[in-house]
Amino acid sequence: QVQLVQSGADVGKPGASVKVSCKSSGYIFTDYYMHWVRQAPGQGLEWMGWINPNSGITKYPQMFQGRVTMTSDTSISTIYLELSSLRSDDTAVYYCARDHSRFGELNGMGVWGQGTTVTVSS
Amino acid sequence: QSALTQPASVSGSPGQSITISCTGSSSDIGRYNYVSWYQQYPGKAPKLMIYDVSNRPSGVSNRFSGSKSDNTASLTISGLQAEDEADYYCGSFTTTSTQVFGGGTKLTVL
Repeated sequence: QVQLVQSGADVGKPGASVKVSCKSSGYIFTDYYMHWVRQAPGQGLEWMGWINPNSGITKYPQMFQGRVTMTSDTSISTIYLELSSLRSDDTAVYYCARDHSRFGELNGMGVWGQGTTVTVSS
Repeated sequence: QSALTQPASVSGSPGQSITISCTGSSSDIGRYNYVSWYQQYPGKAPKLMIYDVSNRPSGVSNRFSGSKSDNTASLTISGLQAEDEADYYCGSFTTTSTQVFGGGTKLTVL
């Protein structure tokens, strides 16, 4: 079955970086765009960007440009999210999600990882 | 890109129908038919309920339906059940090739 499995909870110090992984299985990894979405405690969903796992092309919203890096390793069907210059308001659950349709339709996130809790604390 | 606008909360009694609105702009909802809706229970990952404005993924109940008019999309849940109590988020593709979510709506089944 289609599955996204994320790395475990992490703690980062203010100003440092954190890297979260998301391993895909059950489908052709390079056929679907992937997204990262985060949710701060008690808050709504916040989209952080998408990556084409095949080409490595990415798109980030303005608010994360310069702090977010998304990468892909097709040999192990895994994508990564690295967030730098951590601040206290980066404390959140981070989700990876697969696009619903193949080949970059960007029409909805149909499969989600279990979430990774990132805590920013000194 | 500004977030889409949803009501903070809606409520309904079992068996009734409710509608959640999601207002955007001509740069997102008004421009594309790439509107999606998500259901989220506390402590769980979101689940896709509607994509492409009105399509249901396999396995989603036909009590859930979506529509769009101009810059506003809507999610309607008919025959409300206790298990529908959750948070609901809308999302849309935008003219800058990004995605944007609504602030979320808490549905209470009375």
